[in-house]
Amino acid sequence: DAKTTQPTSMDCAEGRAANLPCNHSTISGNEYVYWYRQIHSQGPQYIIHGLKNNETNEMASLIITEDRKSSTLILPHATLRDTAVYYCIVRAPSGSARQLTFGSGTQLTVLP
Amino acid sequence: EAGVAQSPRYKIIEKRQSVAFWCNPISGHATLYWYQQILGQGPKLLIQFQNNGVVDDSQLPKDRFSAERLKGVDSTLKIQPAKLEDSAVYLCASSPLASGVSNEQFFGPGTRLTVL
Repeated sequence: DAKTTQPTSMDCAEGRAANLPCNHSTISGNEYVYWYRQIHSQGPQYIIHGLKNNETNEMASLIITEDRKSSTLILPHATLRDTAVYYCIVRAPSGSARQLTFGSGTQLTVLP
Repeated sequence: EAGVAQSPRYKIIEKRQSVAFWCNPISGHATLYWYQQILGQGPKLLIQFQNNGVVDDSQLPKDRFSAERLKGVDSTLKIQPAKLEDSAVYLCASSPLASGVSNEQFFGPGTRLTVL
């Protein structure tokens, strides 16, 4: 019962912006959008999260549409080390639904 | 700051044998999670501890899997007896508190289990 839909894979040229889309059309009003990534042979790593407003940190930017049914994670200048599986997760702030439920994610390959 | 430590990193056993994994979370983190990640899939939560109490073990196959966190710090996950379908990476994660929206989870490197 995945709550998000992501493309299976994407390529991006090194130095260019990587834009990773995520659909979450059934998101509830109090649910947040989280992004994690998993580099090969490592555990997942938190990137960013947001509710309604766009968010930016040192790793990435998160753009959430006004209707909150989709979002885009932006890596402004992708490097080879950004090659990873990126997971978009919808998460409630409390209760059992606040668990991290991972889908299959998007395999991003940054090409030299 | 030291991250989440797990051992062993790799384990190969035969079906019906037993195996145990160990996790040391980040110092001061009250919440500890065990996930199972089958090849090609995202991690799936098995069990969540808050200090030394179980918060959620609804997805833990309790006929063969067990986990404990006796002193509220380190944790062990055991499989007895193992089946072929238990071949996966077992990830441990910790977070400061169970509550709070911005409560990110910090993951260890995982233990890759192969059951032959």
